[in-house]
Order: sequence, then C-alpha cells, then structure tokens
Amino acid sequence: ETGVTQTPRHLVMGMTNKKSLKCEQHLGHNAMYWYKQSAKKPLELMFVYSLEERVENNSVPSRFSPECPNSSHLFLHLHTLQPEDSALYLCASSQVLGGRGGYTFGSGTRLTVV
Amino acid sequence: GQQLNQSPQSMFIQEGEDVSMNCTSSSIFNTWLWYKQDPGEGPVLLIALYKAGELTSNGRLTAQFGITRKDSFLNISASIPSDVGIYFCAGQLGGSQGNLIFGKGTKLSVKP
Repeated sequence: ETGVTQTPRHLVMGMTNKKSLKCEQHLGHNAMYWYKQSAKKPLELMFVYSLEERVENNSVPSRFSPECPNSSHLFLHLHTLQPEDSALYLCASSQVLGGRGGYTFGSGTRLTVV
Repeated sequence: GQQLNQSPQSMFIQEGEDVSMNCTSSSIFNTWLWYKQDPGEGPVLLIALYKAGELTSNGRLTAQFGITRKDSFLNISASIPSDVGIYFCAGQLGGSQGNLIFGKGTKLSVKP
C-alpha cells in the first residue's frame, strides 16, 4: 500500500458511543495531522504530531482525543460527540513539520453523529 | 490568525472554457499550494510554488506565486468534465510554524 490510508471511510455513531478513526501512512513522513472539513468552512486543523509528539492542539474539545503510537499511525478517539461534529475528518502527513513539500491527504472518514 | 480569501466560491462553465481562481491574504507566505478535491476523496496536490513571481504549469493548469507573496492564482485552460471538483489554495509560513492555512475552496462545475 502507498500513500495515506484512513479507516473507516464512513462512520455513523450515536452521541453516547465511543469510536476511533485510524490513519496510516506509508511514505516515511515524520509529521501527521488531523483536519476537520465541514460544509462551507475552510479546512480546520485539529492536531499536529511530529515524530510521535503532539506539537499543536487547536482548541479542540476534549471529546476528541488523538493518539500517535509511532510515526506511521495516527488515531482519533471519539466519545460523547455532538451532531455538529458530523463532518469529513481528514488525515495528512508531511515529510517534516513545516516542510515545504505540502501535505499528502488520506481519503477521509465521513462521520455522522446521530 | 491568518486567513485566506479564495474566490470565486463556485463556478459553472462550459466544457472547453478557461477558468481562473485566486487567493489573497493579508499575511506573507513562503509557499503557496493548490489542491483539488474530488467528491468523497481527500485533497490532492496539484501545484506547489516556492518563490515570489514563480509561474508553474502542470498540464492544463498554471499557477503563479504573487510578487507581494500575499496572493496566488490558478488557471485551468480548455476545461474538461473531469476538472469538476473543489479547488483549494493553501499558504504556508516557514519553519516550525509552517502549518498550511487553507482557503474555503472554489467549487468548479463543467457542463459537457
């Protein structure tokens, strides 16, 4: 496999459920990111990891909890979400933090909170 | 925080027409990037620009890094139906603060 792979592609969860989104990159990149994409809004950066260490948390509610066990894997743990959290969640990676080559994105997880 | 103003928000064009979209900012960026997002997929990098004034082409796509470093444009020539999608600009500051800042996107529809 190549590139950035996200699973699941679609997820429907109730507000009391706990679920996790998974991201895996096979590019040898050192930085990974979680973005939230809602309709009619710019991509919102949620979390940034560099060499498995969290370097940025953009005022994201604690019901979103990231985990980066190694530089190839990134998780987003979800619990007690709200309907307004429904969105496309995108994972991305880059060679290094702040590297100029741009980010490689996964296909995203379409999350619906009911 | 930094913001990018991307326009137009959406475009409806006939196949074969040329397309132009742009991004402006009050901030100076070291890098400008243009991405395309197809329905149900993540954004894919089209063109990266690294120097003020730089003009770069990728097939029918041409993008320029503005002289002031505060703007960029993307042109698509002779559009085809598969050009349909959302185009995003992204600006990047340098160094450890180099997170990408995205525009809101331009939604392109092409009529055959």
